[in-house]
Amino acid sequence: EPEVTQTPSHQVTQMGQEVILRCVPISNHLYFYWYRQILGQKVEFLVSFYNNEISEKSEIFDDQFSVERPDGSNFTLKIRSTKLEDSAMYFCASNLAGGLNEQFFGPGTRLTVL
Amino acid sequence: AQSVTQLGSHVSVSEGALVLLRCNYSSSVPPYLFWYVQYPNQGLQLLLKYTTGATLVKGINGFEAEFKKSETSFHLTKPSAHMSDAAEYFCAVIVGGYNKLIFGAGTRLAVHP
Repeated sequence: EPEVTQTPSHQVTQMGQEVILRCVPISNHLYFYWYRQILGQKVEFLVSFYNNEISEKSEIFDDQFSVERPDGSNFTLKIRSTKLEDSAMYFCASNLAGGLNEQFFGPGTRLTVL
Repeated sequence: AQSVTQLGSHVSVSEGALVLLRCNYSSSVPPYLFWYVQYPNQGLQLLLKYTTGATLVKGINGFEAEFKKSETSFHLTKPSAHMSDAAEYFCAVIVGGYNKLIFGAGTRLAVHP
């Protein structure tokens, strides 16, 4: 069964460093998402991406964040200069046609900023 | 603005007992509601969803949920808990251009023998 994959499963970085979190969505899906979950808090929407551009972003998704689909398979989230408060589990999701279609989630990348 | 509240961050039941996980929503427009489950070290998996039509929705693994507009609720139930049901459960509502899931805080379900 096709699934969303994410790498790495755990990333440790120093404050101020750049990190890139990688996701491979399901191959025929067209809509891509990033969510995050700070330990003990809710899963929060960050950004949605369709047709090679951001379709919606939350207030969390400031200038330090960017997303890219560099090739036909990967979908990346870059944090330019990490802060302590960026420590969280980051989930990638995709779906075929947006809307009410099920979003399929990856297993997440745990980011720890020291 | 749409929001979701899950009552009870931890619920513990005996194997074979009824599972009831509570979810209330706030929405100015007809909501579309979802329950996701997260097993340890895995991603979120859709259990069931309500969009329109029948208010009692059946999902995978024997779970079901009922949309009650008068109570603004979408509680998740399962008649008989199994050890494999131990996981974290998230209620969510979809908003905006139908692309953004808004999640509740989650309920961790423990099942003991």
